[in-house]
Amino acid sequence: DVKVTQSSRYLVKRTGEKVFLECVQDMDHENMFWYRQDPGLGLRLIYFSYDVKMKEKGDIPEGYSVSREKKERFSLILESASTNQTSMYLCASIGVHQPQHFGDGTRLSIL
Amino acid sequence: KNEVEQSPQNLTAQEGEFITINCSYSVGISALHWLQQHPGGGIVSLFMLSSGKKKHGRLIATINIQEKHSSLHITASHPRDSAVYICAVLNMYSGGGADGLTFGKGTHLIIQP
Repeated sequence: DVKVTQSSRYLVKRTGEKVFLECVQDMDHENMFWYRQDPGLGLRLIYFSYDVKMKEKGDIPEGYSVSREKKERFSLILESASTNQTSMYLCASIGVHQPQHFGDGTRLSIL
Repeated sequence: KNEVEQSPQNLTAQEGEFITINCSYSVGISALHWLQQHPGGGIVSLFMLSSGKKKHGRLIATINIQEKHSSLHITASHPRDSAVYICAVLNMYSGGGADGLTFGKGTHLIIQP
């Protein structure tokens, strides 16, 4: 069974802090994604990666960066956290012609 | 950019009813996903479709590529089916990479006993 694991379920940080959200998948999937989910806005793509060291901007990349040094790990970085980045963050991975699998999400609060 | 529209946005039905949720999109795709999210819960992938029809238990998903439309059906609905159902479309690079999903806003389904 595919497992997508996000490092934290809940996280509280302060404005201006550098925040790391980690995601690991165990199915050797090439493609990994970071989304945020906000009430009334649905799921929005922040960044994705289709190979190690490859990254592409999604719909709302501002204020975020990502790192994919190993195939199984895709990290989302908030360079200087702001209150408008308080959200639910979801990581997902997908193999070619396979369903997308999501992690349980990280509920991030920026104070 | 693909535009994904779901209908209805909200649906309340009685236990046992046959449920249909619709999804339409504007640009040709490689695959379409139906996802389920329970309150406070994570997201589960129900189906991935690129053509035809798939069935899993009481859930049936169909897709019409020519009409750019998909439906999710729930037969003999049950209160535990209460969740948000999300349609998402996937575009693939010709080389096999994915450029992410475009999501519908979701359908909030409540099944009353």
